[in-house]
Amino acid sequence: EVILTQSPGTLSLSPGERATLSCRASQSLSKSYIAWYQQKPGQAPRLLMYGTSSRATGIPDRFSGSGSGTDFILTIKRLEPEDVGIYHCQQYGWSPYTFGQGTRLEIK
Amino acid sequence: QLQLQESGPGQVKPSATLSLTCTVSGGSINSKSDYWAWIRQPPGKGLEWIGSVYYSGSTYYNPSLTGRITITIDTSKSQFSLNMRSVTAADTAVYFCASQWELTSIEYWGHGTLVTVSS
Repeated sequence: EVILTQSPGTLSLSPGERATLSCRASQSLSKSYIAWYQQKPGQAPRLLMYGTSSRATGIPDRFSGSGSGTDFILTIKRLEPEDVGIYHCQQYGWSPYTFGQGTRLEIK
Repeated sequence: QLQLQESGPGQVKPSATLSLTCTVSGGSINSKSDYWAWIRQPPGKGLEWIGSVYYSGSTYYNPSLTGRITITIDTSKSQFSLNMRSVTAADTAVYFCASQWELTSIEYWGHGTLVTVSS
């Protein structure tokens, strides 16, 4: 199965700064079959991005995704306090569909 | 807007069968684009795709769980279900049901239900 490794494990930034979250796949995804989710404590994940760079419905353009092959990035510009949470990447290029272990984003 | 709601016991004994049902509302379970998925998250850990079922009854399972799980769908009730046999403490997790668009990303999730495997 495809293993997704997310880094860093925890990211602590101030409001207004830019967050860069990484997701590395153990094998190449021939198409941009990466999604990103935000999860807050006690809640289900919320879809942020799909197809590597397409924003889901209602997601502000502060969020952007990029990457190809084995390396993918989620960028969050102008951090706001509400962006706190755990961010998961998911690949759906190969079954079984797998998730990374998550990056915790803290807002100082 | 599509809504999903998990139901089932919150505690299951070791070696028993875990049974959960997801009720879909606000949309059609007969959608040609949606696959109905189960995903779990052990406490403090990441997400694991368990498997998905199509309205036709076709199933897609995580090989790590094949042999222990069965996912079925009842379109007349707008429900789909998960059965997991021979559970152990390692199966303790929050179980989410969700809609997986064409077996890709997952836009709609249930709230999740915590299932604890304990005697």
